Amino acid sequence: DAKTTQPPSMDCAEGRAANLPCNHSTISGNEYVYWYRQIHSQGPQYIIHGLKNNETNEMASLIITEDRKSSTLILPHATLRDTAVYYCIVNRPGGSQGNLIFGKGTKLSVKP
Amino acid sequence: NAGVTQTPKFRILKIGQSMTLQCAQDMNHNYMYWYRQDPGMGLKLIYYSVGAGITDKGEVPNGYNVSRSTTEDFPLRLELAAPSQTSVYFCASRRTGGENTEAFFGQGTRLTVV
Repeated sequence: DAKTTQPPSMDCAEGRAANLPCNHSTISGNEYVYWYRQIHSQGPQYIIHGLKNNETNEMASLIITEDRKSSTLILPHATLRDTAVYYCIVNRPGGSQGNLIFGKGTKLSVKP
Repeated sequence: NAGVTQTPKFRILKIGQSMTLQCAQDMNHNYMYWYRQDPGMGLKLIYYSVGAGITDKGEVPNGYNVSRSTTEDFPLRLELAAPSQTSVYFCASRRTGGENTEAFFGQGTRLTVV
């Protein structure tokens, strides 16, 4: 599976957009980009995923570059409850390659 | 629909004791996983299963065993507990491996070995 690189920490002001970058320069053509977050040692929570196109749901938007070597998770109006560790994972379908392998993620601190 | 349920939530073991961490899901998911998370670190995959009767090792399987006799249940067995196994353990399930499916996680079991 491709590896990802994320900044260890970021700050964001409450009400502003949080833009979390992820580098996955060795991603393969059939690997999806997934984002999860973990709030204060709770179980990780799924946020969004994509293959090639940009995606949006009620929680966030995912912007994937045309060459697929990097992506950005956007929380449009961050709140204090969005303070968490955010994990970017690339994931190939099937068998052991379908396993979610977590890195250290980005610790996002939303400040009032 | 309870999702992924882990029991117990907390446990203290003495060195050398054994225990089983329980994990059950009610979503009829084929894939199930066990992770451990040490303080300040990301999750490490211990074992996974792609269906009933099929299990395989992940990144850190030593000191653990699993079984998958039903689709719903995926217990994790610790034999001869060691202080290095002090961690938070998370179970997860997924309809399939990858390919447009999200994983659902339990709330974790916090284990201390003393």
